[in-house]
Amino acid sequence: AQTVTQSQPEMSVQEAETVTLSCTYDTSENNYYLFWYKQPPSRQMILVIRQEAYKQQNATENRFSVNFQKAAKSFSLKISDSQLGDTAMYFCAFMNWASRLTFGEGTQLTVNP
Amino acid sequence: NAGVTQTPKFQVLKTGQSMTLQCAQDMNHNSMYWYRQDPGMGLRLIYYSASEGTTDKGEVPNGYNVSRLNKREFSLRLESAAPSQTSVYFCASTRQVRISGANVLTFGAGSRLTVL
Repeated sequence: AQTVTQSQPEMSVQEAETVTLSCTYDTSENNYYLFWYKQPPSRQMILVIRQEAYKQQNATENRFSVNFQKAAKSFSLKISDSQLGDTAMYFCAFMNWASRLTFGEGTQLTVNP
Repeated sequence: NAGVTQTPKFQVLKTGQSMTLQCAQDMNHNSMYWYRQDPGMGLRLIYYSASEGTTDKGEVPNGYNVSRLNKREFSLRLESAAPSQTSVYFCASTRQVRISGANVLTFGAGSRLTVL
């Protein structure tokens, strides 16, 4: 069974600084997708960024980028120029070939002014 | 375009009562999911339906049943509610295809269930 681990329950960062959230996963599959979702206090789940395992190039979406290390089964999220609106719970997620999506426990990120 | 619609948004039940959470999507997605979210435990998969006519257990299926009524609708039923089922429930859907970027889930707004 696939598992996703986020070892940082809480993190904080100063506005305009950079922060990295960690995620590791365990799977025996070779083809899969990885995601970072954001959940603000409104509770809505919002996609931040996604990565296909067959792509070696790390995904980037504006201020958000990932460091995907397939051999190490690691998928960290870097947020640059942090903004107050980035304050949220962040979830790492793994999707296998059958579209089964498994989430990590989440990391609560607080951006301080 | 409504996306994924869950009803009800809030519900309070007594132990032993039954209820059904409804979920509908209008995006022609073929895969649908039910998750529960508890503090410190992320989202845990209860059941999912990869396509119309199929359902599979997730991580925490005990105490729940599901029905994939048609391509649009996927309901979650609690036959005899227990306090341990107090949680926020999320429905989600996606188009299951093997092309880049096509497997992103769209989530509903969540349903908060309290079992007394």
